[in-house]
Amino acid sequence: NAGVTQTPKFRVLKTGQSMTLLCAQDMNHEYMYWYRQDPGMGLRLIHYSVGEGTTAKGEVPDGYNVSRLKKQNFLLGLESAAPSQTSVYFCASSYWTSGEQYFGPGTRLTVT
Amino acid sequence: SQQGEEDPQALSIQEGENATMNCSYKTSINNLQWYRQNSGRGLVHLILIRSNEREKHSGRLRVTLDTSKKSSSLLITASRAADTASYFCATDAEGYSTLTFGKGTMLLVSP
Repeated sequence: NAGVTQTPKFRVLKTGQSMTLLCAQDMNHEYMYWYRQDPGMGLRLIHYSVGEGTTAKGEVPDGYNVSRLKKQNFLLGLESAAPSQTSVYFCASSYWTSGEQYFGPGTRLTVT
Repeated sequence: SQQGEEDPQALSIQEGENATMNCSYKTSINNLQWYRQNSGRGLVHLILIRSNEREKHSGRLRVTLDTSKKSSSLLITASRAADTASYFCATDAEGYSTLTFGKGTMLLVSP
């Protein structure tokens, strides 16, 4: 089992560019999450999904969109990147919303 | 506002010593979890304690929960250099749809 994988691992964008981060899990989890982690801020939830075809906003959703077309994949999109979106992005999944979360290795994004 | 807060923010100890980290939270919880994050990596789940449990052990880890004080502690006994990491508490709390994470405690264990 690969667990939770994220692509890409690193990315540098210019302000205004767009990109999509891909998260995949092979554990048949219903719940998937996107977080960002900034120094001194801990983990902040961007969006999450409670099942295929469903998404919901988290604590910091502005500037991001998500899609869950397949149960195993959760995509995070930045339509027009801003320097404030420079961060490390983590995807996670779980069997149920209050249970143990399994994290991917992260994507380090820099927006110049 | 932060549901869970770890204390201290940073902790530096020698190998073989015990490390204690605390987590305080604001609202009633169903469970509380502890995670470890090695530098540059994703978080790894360590232990889950339910609201009706007071203490739980896993190897060198001991977690306590005091719901009357809305606090939990994570004790790592006989620490090793490999325990150097950030430790986060996460709560499944009333009023929140998902787990909420604290800002973490950075633990440095020196050989």
